[in-house]
Amino acid sequence: DIQMTQSPSAMSASVGDRVTITCRASQGISNDLAWFQQKPGKVPKRLIYASSSLQSGVPSRFSGSGSGTEFTLTISSLQAEDFATYYCLQHNSYPLTFGGGTKVEIK
Amino acid sequence: EVQLVESGGGLVQPGGSLRLSCAASGFTVSSSYMSWVRQAPGKGLEWVSVIYGGGGTYYADSVKGRFTISRDNSKNTLYLQMNTLRADDTAVYYCARDSRGPADLGQGTLVTVSS
Repeated sequence: DIQMTQSPSAMSASVGDRVTITCRASQGISNDLAWFQQKPGKVPKRLIYASSSLQSGVPSRFSGSGSGTEFTLTISSLQAEDFATYYCLQHNSYPLTFGGGTKVEIK
Repeated sequence: EVQLVESGGGLVQPGGSLRLSCAASGFTVSSSYMSWVRQAPGKGLEWVSVIYGGGGTYYADSVKGRFTISRDNSKNTLYLQMNTLRADDTAVYYCARDSRGPADLGQGTLVTVSS
């Protein structure tokens, strides 16, 4: 099985900050990587698929990059509504595997 | 518009069984990849199972041999039959329509395994 290691597991940031979250795969997964956002008590929402493709309706301040084993989610200017937990997911091979999550909190 | 509505969750004793349903609208289940994803209280997301458009299936090791994914094309509904339930199966279960991995998730249904 492919292991997904996400870092950091938690972070504090201020509105307007540039935020970067990293996800590493235990083996190459091409660009088969998605990012999800989950707010407390809410359903996870996919933000990005295929490493860098923005889901329809997702603000352009979110971007993804990477290929192979290392991937990045960037929020260019953090907004109040972006405080949430973020998960990466590899969809290259079954079983699909999620990263452990990154909780982005208000500084 | 894609809509997914799960039902069937509840409280069940260890060793018991439960069947979850996911009623879909806005697309055809039989021609889609469909997954189940779960989240234990206070924990991260865990992928559980997938059924392909052609009917093939795949399971996480943690549920293999105990859970069965299926669908009823006439009802446009996805199912998850869960047998020999354990305390660590306690979670919110989401069904998802896949498009390069899970894309659209339902609102989830809570399964609690406890005596």
